[in-house]
Amino acid sequence: GENVGLHLPTLSVQEGDNSIINCAYSNSASDYFIWYKQESGKGPQFIIDIRSNMDKRQGQRVTVLLNKTVKHLSLQIAATQPGDSAVYFCAEKVAGGYNKLIFGAGTRLAVHP
Amino acid sequence: DTGVSQDPRHKITKRGQNVTFRCDPISEHNRLYWYRQTLGQGPEFLTYFQNEAQLEKSRLLSDRFSAERPKGSFSTLEIQRTEQGDSAMYLCASSPGGVATEAFFGQGTRLTVV
Repeated sequence: GENVGLHLPTLSVQEGDNSIINCAYSNSASDYFIWYKQESGKGPQFIIDIRSNMDKRQGQRVTVLLNKTVKHLSLQIAATQPGDSAVYFCAEKVAGGYNKLIFGAGTRLAVHP
Repeated sequence: DTGVSQDPRHKITKRGQNVTFRCDPISEHNRLYWYRQTLGQGPEFLTYFQNEAQLEKSRLLSDRFSAERPKGSFSTLEIQRTEQGDSAMYLCASSPGGVATEAFFGQGTRLTVV
């Protein structure tokens, strides 16, 4: 399959460790943010979202933190597993738009057993 | 499988030929989006449909590109007179109406122009 992670920054972690993936978004008018996971040859898969009126949201093994002051978003994955290996993208939606998403550059997560 | 479906998954075409891709969104999703993704990059927005109306087009969508959603269900993306720079993954996504709902992506169509 295609290498989605080509030329992307890579975060390497050991299985069982916690992972933190960071993203700087571009538009202070963005009001909704999503993290997607993309495996080679596949489309982006929704992980977790957060609205701009929140600063933290938790899912199953994942937590998203939003810092609007510095326009920063992070994804925390607890007890990282080999199946978490993929490219992770943050995406933002600008308020008043048609829900189109603006994607960041992506980070490749490599989980080593 | 009730997810977003795209066809074909892969397409190889000679430069100058026309190609057409199809997207079947999740049923009852009235919002449909096309994105393009090149290697090592995040998806880039191309166009948006709400039901059958095409409400927004990116400047990336040159005159050679046309998208339709004639009955507000499936959508097609056509590229005329393909160029090597058109080689990319073309992704379709859909979402229900309402405020700030997540978009669900299909597996994409990988286009290679030779």
